[in-house]
Amino acid sequence: EAGVAQSPRYKIIEKRQSVAFWCNPISGHATLYWYQQILGQGPKLLIQFQNNGVVDDSQLPKDRFSAERLKGVDSTLKIQPAKLEDSAVYLCASSPGQRTSGNTIYFGEGSWLTVV
Amino acid sequence: DAKTTQPNSMESNEEEPVHLPCNHSTISGTDYIHWYRQLPSQGPEYVIHGLTSNVNNRMASLAIAEDRKSSTLILHRATLRDAAVYYCTTKNTGNQFYFGTGTSLTVIP
Repeated sequence: EAGVAQSPRYKIIEKRQSVAFWCNPISGHATLYWYQQILGQGPKLLIQFQNNGVVDDSQLPKDRFSAERLKGVDSTLKIQPAKLEDSAVYLCASSPGQRTSGNTIYFGEGSWLTVV
Repeated sequence: DAKTTQPNSMESNEEEPVHLPCNHSTISGTDYIHWYRQLPSQGPEYVIHGLTSNVNNRMASLAIAEDRKSSTLILHRATLRDAAVYYCTTKNTGNQFYFGTGTSLTVIP
């Protein structure tokens, strides 16, 4: 079974530039998550989708971050304009559904962003 | 919100058992306890999860306290490939998984 795919794997941009990350979840998984992981910290949830609807985006800095999940499959996370503090690993994850906390989350390898 | 508390770091000798503790005193009665681990330069990977009873799989065992306020991940024989950051997590009131800073496990050859 193919895992969660993310691209690009690495990206270096200058502050105030924009960047986009793409995620393809495991086939059939209804729930998709974007996490931000700053060096030395645990992953922090940015946004959670159930199919193509947003379940929670309370920690997404909406003045600069946006995310969409068209057709309930692939998703993109965009940052515009980027700040130095956005340097982090952006992890996409998916799970079969939301309704039970017994569901396991499957993570991609992450997209490493450095803002200079 | 359901939060978890883990030691920042632990060490183990290779081929010895490792017991990684986690406190989750605010967990609700219906929420599972999940453990993930993160190898260097990789995304977190699932290790094990449980609700009330102790659980075993090919990677590890999970011992859950009777009051569910704490749990212990048990690696029966640590190998160098088990060196990673281990996260204990459960869902918060917003139904999202909360990841703390985890326990960084060092395995000594």
